[in-house]
Amino acid sequence: GIQVEQSPPDLILQEGANSTLRCNFSDSVNNLQWFHQNPWGQLINLFYIPSGTKQNGRLSATTVATERYSLLYISSSQTTDSGVYFCAVERMNAGNMLTFGGGTRLMVKP
Amino acid sequence: GAGVSQSPRYKVTKRGQDVALRCDPISGHVSLYWYRQALGQGPEFLTYFNYEAQQDKSGLPNDRFSAERPEGSISTLTIQRTEQRDSAMYRCASSLAGMNEQYFGPGTRLTVT
Repeated sequence: GIQVEQSPPDLILQEGANSTLRCNFSDSVNNLQWFHQNPWGQLINLFYIPSGTKQNGRLSATTVATERYSLLYISSSQTTDSGVYFCAVERMNAGNMLTFGGGTRLMVKP
Repeated sequence: GAGVSQSPRYKVTKRGQDVALRCDPISGHVSLYWYRQALGQGPEFLTYFNYEAQQDKSGLPNDRFSAERPEGSISTLTIQRTEQRDSAMYRCASSLAGMNEQYFGPGTRLTVT
């Protein structure tokens, strides 16, 4: 199956700092999504981004499908950004299930 | 409804009992997915449906696990003769169709004692 690797696995930031999270995947994909799992366990959709660049407030994401990676940028981080960020991909021609990476655990300190 | 809903939110059961977990997808969503998430890990695929047809059940761990979606809307994941290793968060997701953005419910936290 497809391999999805996220880095870094853990990240501690001071409030106001910027960060970049990376997702590498091993095969062609139809779909790529970024999620935030908050401390209450909810999985919140951040981006649906199989290719290109999108922005939503302080967050933006870029997927370079030909090079099999995606980046999630968090600017001016806030304590409410804490949690686990997951990248998930849907492998091309392999059904519609998502394969998740191991996540990046982010803690933002006040 | 506004989002994917799941019930119960928490379930504690004794080893050997059967459990049924329910998922109500976003209205109008054709595709429905079940995932299982162990503590500290990302969700892992179990099975999915388009309308009432089960398209892929390759992720179900063994024959104690089954799922149905008889009318193409609400789905039930059933685990028979539960074991302690079945303890996990069970998440449901739905999408307008395959190859579309998936939206997740709040999950059912299952604990087998």
